[in-house]
This record gives sequence, structure tokens and C-alpha cells, in this order.
Amino acid sequence: GAGVSQSPSNKVTEKGKDVELRCDPISGHTALYWYRQSLGQGLEFLIYFQGNSAPDKSGLPSDRFSAERTGGSVSTLTIQRTQQEDSAVYLCASSLPGFHNEQFFGPGTRLTVL
Amino acid sequence: QQQVKQSPQSLIVQKGGISIINCAYENTAFDYFPWYQQFPGKGPALLIAIRPDVSEKKEGRFTISFNKSAKQFSLHIMDSQPGDSATYFCAASWNAGNMLTFGGGTRLMVKP
Repeated sequence: GAGVSQSPSNKVTEKGKDVELRCDPISGHTALYWYRQSLGQGLEFLIYFQGNSAPDKSGLPSDRFSAERTGGSVSTLTIQRTQQEDSAVYLCASSLPGFHNEQFFGPGTRLTVL
Repeated sequence: QQQVKQSPQSLIVQKGGISIINCAYENTAFDYFPWYQQFPGKGPALLIAIRPDVSEKKEGRFTISFNKSAKQFSLHIMDSQPGDSATYFCAASWNAGNMLTFGGGTRLMVKP
């Protein structure tokens, strides 16, 4: 079956612009996660959605970052007024409900802020 | 605050050798420790995972060793192959939240 898909695969934007990154999780996966991978660094947790529960936003680095999940499926990560330090690969993952289920990652969106 | 520390940052191993990557964690609430493998341009993929009620788990050429008292765990890749060349990440999570806390990654190169 189809895995996690993300779009666009690459995004180049100018400092100060807003960007939207999209994630389509695996069908039936009610848990969805966003992570950020800076160049040569590990992955940093951003936000976690589980079903209809309020999302865990504890990893968002500033109020310029927000995310929503519509209909319990597709998610959009929005970065407002982008800064150069926002340049990174943004990864989305999904999993079945419950604890410690395997997280399946998408290929990521590479964001470059000029 | 880096809660999971991973070493080495890079590793070169000859084909057929043993690759060893180490991780140490701080949060004693962690109760799930997966390892992820990432190839260039791809998202990470789960390789093997362990829970703290066992000290070792083996799947094929991959083994996790876990030392709860030392708060350390390691990945051993036996008979390393060029196709194993990738970046490896250790991670940890706990029941209060499913999000993964990742180590900084190890870039492994297996020379033929």
C-alpha cells in the first residue's frame, strides 16, 4: 500500500514569506507527527496529533509555527514569516493508535529560506 | 536539552566487520528504544526496537544491547555490508507521549 506522502518535495522561499507543507498519512493511521531535521543534525519533534484529541504542540519552536489536521487525515504545517534558521527537512510520520507503534516516515520536504 | 546522546558521529567499517553505535539517555521515564535507518533523500525507517524489560534483542544481523542501570543502549551490525551504509538514529519515547526523542545520528560507511 501507499506510504506517507509529503508535498512539495522541495520548497525555496524568501525570508519573511509564509509556507505550507502537506502530509498525507497512511490510511487508518490516526497518529501523525511532524519532525524537523536540520543539516547534519538529528530529528527534532515538532507536533503530534492523535485522533480527535488536542494536539501536543510542545515541540513547536515559536508561534510562527502551526499545524492542523483536517478530517483526521491530511495535515498541513504552516511556517509564517520564515527565517533562514527555518531551513531544514520537515518530516511527517504516521502510526496506528496506541503506544510505541512503529512510526512510518515520509520522504520529507526540504525547505530553503533565502 | 539533548536527552539522547549518540556516538560516534561517523563510522567507517570494512565489509564483514562489526559496526557498533552507542546511545545514552537521561530521562528514566523512557520505556521504548527504537533504532532508525535513513538513506539519503529518504525518511528514516524503523530497523529494530527494544523495551527495557530485556537486555538484548536480535533480528538477523542487527542486535540491540540495553543496560538499564547505565541508561545506555547500543546497536551492533554483524557482518556489515556496503548496503548498510546509511545514517543510523537511536531514539527513545515514553507512554506519556508517543513522540520520539532522537540522538544526533551516526553516518556509517561500509567499505567493500
